[in-house]
Amino acid sequence: SQQGEEDPQALSIQEGENATMNCSYKTSINNLQWYRQNSGRGLVHLILIRSNEREKHSGRLRVTLDTSKKSSSLLITASRAADTASYFCAFSNYNQGGKLIFGQGTELSVKP
Amino acid sequence: DTAVSQTPKYLVTQMGNDKSIKCEQNLGHDTMYWYKQDSKKFLKIMFSYNNKELIINETVPNRFSPKSPDKAHLNLHINSLELGDSAVYFCASSQEISRGGNIQYFGAGTRLSVL
Repeated sequence: SQQGEEDPQALSIQEGENATMNCSYKTSINNLQWYRQNSGRGLVHLILIRSNEREKHSGRLRVTLDTSKKSSSLLITASRAADTASYFCAFSNYNQGGKLIFGQGTELSVKP
Repeated sequence: DTAVSQTPKYLVTQMGNDKSIKCEQNLGHDTMYWYKQDSKKFLKIMFSYNNKELIINETVPNRFSPKSPDKAHLNLHINSLELGDSAVYFCASSQEISRGGNIQYFGAGTRLSVL
C-alpha cells in the first residue's frame, strides 16, 4: 500500500516536554509535509521538507528527512496544551499530479 | 475571510438518497481536491481538478461525481448513498505543481452520516 505509517499512534506528554513523531513511506518522493488537525477541524499545513533537504526548522518545530531510510520525524519542543491535536505526515511525487498520500496520524495529547 | 469553505458542515441522510457538498476557495489556486477521512482518521484522496480539468480520479465508486464549474469551485455529488459513505469529506486547494506548490489548504470538512 502507498499509505504512510506513523508512530506512535498516540502520545501523551506534559506541558513543557518535547514530542517526537515518526513517519515512514515506501515510494520515491519529491517532498514530505506535516499537517495538524485539531478535533473537528480541517488540516493545517505546518512544514514542508524537500527530498534534497535533511532538516528544517520552523519555530518550535523541527523536521528531519532520511530518504535512504524513507523516514521522517517531527519534533515539537517545549509543548503546550494548545499543541493537542492529530499530526499527519503526507508525501508526494510530482509525477502523480501533486497527490498527497497521508499517514494515519499521531494523536498528541499535551496535559497542562 | 475563510480561504476554503465547504457546505454543509453536517449532513445526515437516509440510505439511497442523493446529496451534494459544495466547496469554494478564494486563494486563487488552480488545483482543488476532495478527500475522504474515515472513522480511524485515515485520509485518502478521491479526486483532483486543475483549472476545471480532472487530473486525479482514484478508485472511487461512480456514484461519486465531482463537478468544477470554475477553478474556484469543486462540488461533490453522491448518488444512492450507502452506509459505508459515512465519513468526513474534506475539500482542499493548492497552487499548481509547476509553480512550486502542492501545499494544500483544507476546508473545515463535511461530516456525512448515512442512516
